[in-house]
Amino acid sequence: KAGVTQTPRYLIKTRGQQVTLSCSPISGHRSVSWYQQTPGQGLQFLFEYFSETQRNKGNFPGRFSGRQFSNSRSEMNVSTLELGDSALYLCASSLIGGLDEKLFFGSGTQLSVL
Amino acid sequence: AQTVTQSQPEMSVQEAETVTLSCTYDTSESDYYLFWYKQPPSRQMILVIRQEAYKQQNATENRFSVNFQKAAKSFSLKISDSQLGDAAMYFCAYSDSGGGADGLTFGKGTHLIIQP
Repeated sequence: KAGVTQTPRYLIKTRGQQVTLSCSPISGHRSVSWYQQTPGQGLQFLFEYFSETQRNKGNFPGRFSGRQFSNSRSEMNVSTLELGDSALYLCASSLIGGLDEKLFFGSGTQLSVL
Repeated sequence: AQTVTQSQPEMSVQEAETVTLSCTYDTSESDYYLFWYKQPPSRQMILVIRQEAYKQQNATENRFSVNFQKAAKSFSLKISDSQLGDAAMYFCAYSDSGGGADGLTFGKGTHLIIQP
């Protein structure tokens, strides 16, 4: 069974641009979560999607958005990029995000903003 | 808001020895879940062990065990018979719901070095 797949692995953008990152969950998983990892702030929860609906959201500005498609694949978008958005963006999936479930993480997309 | 604190930025241990990584947390909830994740250079977060707060028994997974002290809000990870493959960043994490749908709160991590 394939794991969580994130594309691309690396991305370089300039300030003011926008970027879209993709996450394909494990087959059958319907809950997808996104995290930002930086050396300064550590790992922070961005949002979680289930059945194409955002169910939970972390404390990030509106420039960070996401969506989930009917096949459970998810994308996150960052508009008007800032230098501080440089980070590793991790995606995680689980069946439905239930109490006894385990989260499976991808290897992330490393975003550099110049 | 919940917080998770890992006070050891880096730890070093000789291969085959035992090491303990510390974690404290703060929450007003009575039911919650605690986790230890490992992040090797491949960057993929891997679940090492998980503890439900309502269970008094400490969780164990092979060479990995935890010391969960609910009253003290402490959740340490013990790695026995350390192996070179254990070298990684280790993150302690908290969740109100075990599946993490409401988001995990992570500590800043401990970099574990295994000396051959």
